[in-house]
Amino acid sequence: AQKVTQAQTEISVVEKEDVTLDCVYETRDTTYYLFWYKQPPSGELVFLIRRNSFDEQNEISGRYSWNFQKSTSSFNFTITASQVVDSAVYFCALGGGMTTDSWGKLQFGAGTQVVVTP
Amino acid sequence: DTAVSQTPKYLVTQMGNDKSIKCEQNLGHDTMYWYKQDSKKFLKIMFSYNNKELIINETVPNRFSPKSPDKAHLNLHINSLELGDSAVYFCASSPRPTGELFFGEGSRLTVL
Repeated sequence: AQKVTQAQTEISVVEKEDVTLDCVYETRDTTYYLFWYKQPPSGELVFLIRRNSFDEQNEISGRYSWNFQKSTSSFNFTITASQVVDSAVYFCALGGGMTTDSWGKLQFGAGTQVVVTP
Repeated sequence: DTAVSQTPKYLVTQMGNDKSIKCEQNLGHDTMYWYKQDSKKFLKIMFSYNNKELIINETVPNRFSPKSPDKAHLNLHINSLELGDSAVYFCASSPRPTGELFFGEGSRLTVL
């Protein structure tokens, strides 16, 4: 069974501080995919990144960076120099399996609420 | 031009009623989904369709019936609504079976 754990329920920071969101996953699949989504107060779900299990390169996109460590089954997300607009719930998700009944079946973590105050 | 659009955005209804939520995507994706987000923000897949064919039915009560008239549309009909059906329902589409999901804005259903 697949499982995603986001142990941090809420993180509060002051603007310009860095914030790191933890994501630990469990899967028996040898090929799998990891995702991060952002859900701002307006409620929509915004795709941030997709990472294949065979690509352990870290990625940076502007103020966002992701650290994928297969050895510890973790896919952590860091926001550098946080801004008020970063306030949102962030979800880590796991997908995988090559059979049709696993297509698009993402296992989401419980989410981490990030609150950035001015 | 919204990529994945859902209507209505808000639904308030009485227990026992039937309601539908419509979803359309203009991304040209073959695969579409319904996800449910409960009051604790937990997201769980309900259904997936690939090119109008049902692929995943994740032990959802049969009061929920998805319909895909074509690969750009996936509607959700709910019969005999119950209090526990109150949630936000998200439609999504994906460019490939193992790809990222693009979500609609969500439809908040409140059952009184």
